[in-house]
Amino acid sequence: AQTVTQSQPEMSVQEAETVTLSCTYDTSENNYYLFWYKQPPSRQMILVIRQEAYKQQNATENRFSVNFQKAAKSFSLKISDSQLGDTAMYFCAFMSGAGSYQLTFGKGTKLSVIP
Amino acid sequence: NAGVTQTPKFQVLKTGQSMTLQCAQDMNHEYMSWYRQDPGMGLRLIHYSVGAGITDQGEVPNGYNVSRSTTEDFPLRLLSAAPSQTSVYFCATGRNEKLFFGSGTQLSVL
Repeated sequence: AQTVTQSQPEMSVQEAETVTLSCTYDTSENNYYLFWYKQPPSRQMILVIRQEAYKQQNATENRFSVNFQKAAKSFSLKISDSQLGDTAMYFCAFMSGAGSYQLTFGKGTKLSVIP
Repeated sequence: NAGVTQTPKFQVLKTGQSMTLQCAQDMNHEYMSWYRQDPGMGLRLIHYSVGAGITDQGEVPNGYNVSRSTTEDFPLRLLSAAPSQTSVYFCATGRNEKLFFGSGTQLSVL
């Protein structure tokens, strides 16, 4: 079974600064997907970014980027130019193979952006 | 185009009562699933379905039943609610190796 570990229960960052959230995972598979989801106080689960394991290039979505280290089984999320609206819980998640659609989540990191 | 719709948004039950959490999607996705979220935890998979008439168990299926008679609907049934089932429940659909979540149902069992 896969496991996902987020070692930072809480973090804070000044508005406009950069912050990195950590995630490690354990799997014996070679083909998989990794995700970061954002959960604001509204409770909605919002997909932030996705990384395919077979792609060496790190995924980027506007101010959000990842550092995917396959050999180290590490998948960190970098948020640049932090905004107040980035305040939320962030969950790292693992999906094995194509078509499985079963996500394994980490316990989350609570991020607070300070004005 | 509503995406994934969950009803109700909030519910309070007494121990032993039964209820059904509704999930409907208008995206024509074959894959649907139910997760629960407990304090300090990530989401955990309860049941999932890869198409109408096909369902299977996830990580924490005990106490829950599902059925999938249409592509659009995937209800989650609690036959005899227990306080341990107090949680936030999310329905999700999947396509192109991405999951799309509903807004959740907060359930309290007293």
